[in-house]
Amino acid sequence: KAGVTQTPRYLIKTRGQQVTLSCSPISGHRSVSWYQQTPGQGLQFLFEYFSETQRNKGNFPGRFSGRQFSNSRSEMNVSTLELGDSALYLCASRRVKDSYEQYFGPGTRLTVT
Amino acid sequence: AQTVTQSQPEMSVQEAETVTLSCTYDTSENNYYLFWYKQPPSRQMILVIRQEAYKQQNATENRFSVNFQKAAKSFSLKISDSQLGDTAMYFCAFRISQGGSEKLVFGKGTKLTVNP
Repeated sequence: KAGVTQTPRYLIKTRGQQVTLSCSPISGHRSVSWYQQTPGQGLQFLFEYFSETQRNKGNFPGRFSGRQFSNSRSEMNVSTLELGDSALYLCASRRVKDSYEQYFGPGTRLTVT
Repeated sequence: AQTVTQSQPEMSVQEAETVTLSCTYDTSENNYYLFWYKQPPSRQMILVIRQEAYKQQNATENRFSVNFQKAAKSFSLKISDSQLGDTAMYFCAFRISQGGSEKLVFGKGTKLTVNP
């Protein structure tokens, strides 16, 4: 079974631009969560989606948004990029019921210059 | 608020030896899950081991085992017979469930280096 895939793997953007990252979950997994990983703050939860609805959101500004499609694929968008948004963005998927494990993708490395 | 603390930013161990990584957490919940995740330099985060809080028996997965002390809110990871491939960042995580939604709260991580 294919794992969680994320595209692109690397991205360089300029301050003020916007960016969209994509995540395809493991087949059969309906939940997708996003995490931001930085050296200073560590791993922080951004949001979780399942059944195309945002179910939970971390403490991030409104510039961070996401959505989920009917095939469970998810995108996250960051608008008006700031230097501090440079991070590794990890996506994780899980089954919604009877699930204790989140499976992580390889991440997208975003650099904002 | 649930928090996870890993007090050892870096550790090193000789190949074939045993090492223990520490983790403490804070929660008011009674039923919860704890995890250790491994993130090698290639960045793919993988689950090493999990522990259900209602189970008194410590979880074991091959060379990996935990020492779960619920009253002390401590959840340490022991790696036996360390191998070069164990070199990675190790994150302790606590699962928060709320109305069907879940999120993981991570510690800052411990960078483990296994030396030949």
